[in-house]
Amino acid sequence: AQSVTQLGSHVSVSEGALVLLRCNYSSSVPPYLFWYVQYPNQGLQLLLKYTSAATLVKGINGFEAEFKKSETSFHLTKPSAHMSDAAEYFCAVTDKGGATNKLIFGTGTLLAVQP
Amino acid sequence: KAGVTQTPRYLIKTRGQQVTLSCSPISGHRSVSWYQQTPGQGLQFLFEYFSETQRNKGNFPGRFSGRQFSNSRSEMNVSTLELGDSALYLCASSPRQESGNTIYFGEGSWLTVV
Repeated sequence: AQSVTQLGSHVSVSEGALVLLRCNYSSSVPPYLFWYVQYPNQGLQLLLKYTSAATLVKGINGFEAEFKKSETSFHLTKPSAHMSDAAEYFCAVTDKGGATNKLIFGTGTLLAVQP
Repeated sequence: KAGVTQTPRYLIKTRGQQVTLSCSPISGHRSVSWYQQTPGQGLQFLFEYFSETQRNKGNFPGRFSGRQFSNSRSEMNVSTLELGDSALYLCASSPRQESGNTIYFGEGSWLTVV
């Protein structure tokens, strides 16, 4: 079964520092991959998605992610953290070519940004 | 364009009761799916509807059910509530039933079972 693993349930960075949130998928066939952000008491907001076009995907709020098939990874990065980036981030996967919108989520990474 | 709207936002129920949660998808979106979010289990897929038919179901007991109406609005129902059903229930919508779609989430319905 398809799955994603997010390494690090809590990540803390200083304001202005690089943000790196890790996500690895399990499928031998590259799936579609998504990163969502959840602010306190809110729903999920899509940051970016990979659907087999460019391997470097740019998203909203300065985030980007690179799909690396050799490493089965889709890590999320942002060059310079802002206080407003403090939130929980979820990596998600869905099988390519399926007639379904079902997402399988990772366990999430809570990002703290220190002043 | 209005986003995914979920009602009610917050509710408290007693064990053994039932609850109905409502979701209005983004206008023009025909696919609706539901997720349960808890601290212990994370985000788990409940079910997916398209054209008033359940297309996919997660690994939840039969107490969890749902439906979709002809206007794409959806409801989910949980009967005989248990304490462990306390969770954030998220509805999501998408234009089509096709992997790779952008999926938009609502703010969620917070259910507390006491």
